[in-house]
Amino acid sequence: QVQLVESGGGVVQPGGSLRLSCAASGFTFDTYGLHWVRQTPGKGLEGVAFIRHDGGSESYADSVKGRFTISRDNSKNTLYLQMNSLRPEDTAVYYCAKGFGIYSGYGSSFDLWGQGTLVTVSS
Amino acid sequence: EIVLTQSPGTLSLSPGERATLSCRASQSVSANYLAWYQQKPGQAPRFLIYVASRRATGVPDRFSGSGSGTDFTLTISRLEPEDFAVYYCQQYGSSPLTFGGGTKVEIK
Repeated sequence: QVQLVESGGGVVQPGGSLRLSCAASGFTFDTYGLHWVRQTPGKGLEGVAFIRHDGGSESYADSVKGRFTISRDNSKNTLYLQMNSLRPEDTAVYYCAKGFGIYSGYGSSFDLWGQGTLVTVSS
Repeated sequence: EIVLTQSPGTLSLSPGERATLSCRASQSVSANYLAWYQQKPGQAPRFLIYVASRRATGVPDRFSGSGSGTDFTLTISRLEPEDFAVYYCQQYGSSPLTFGGGTKVEIK
């Protein structure tokens, strides 16, 4: 079954850290670029981070640059998002999403999404 | 950054009617790299359309996309009960990738 399953969300205090995981199955993991996208009621959908199929290139939204790190383990078919120095405005549902097209780069649409994991940053 | 403005915010229609959703970009979308997604409550977005007008695998042909440059349209020719949802456009021709604010299609 082709799917992405996120985990690792929860409640964290401002300034804290959290690591999200996204387990993939049903497709050749190491041939697709992957993204983290977040969604809030106020700001809508926002692309957060991207990583190339081989892990050789990363890209971040300005709002998270220097605080978040995207990585992947192609031997485990798993994507990660390390989130440090969290702020209340990082509160959102975080989705992992697969880039459309083999060896998809940063500029891609998303043909597969996980179910999302909720991150709440609050004291 | 390309800002995508979707209109109307809410569309109230009956099953069987035609829905026309607009997505306007603040500047031209490179290569018409514009996608559409459908999202139902509590679910992830579902991929519908890419490069403005190409349907994703498994998407019914009542969904069609059109447009170029700065003006794009998603049309649902005859609304089925399962089509009532929120629809988002996304441009992926320029960095950063951006999404529109969504159009909710609700049952009248």
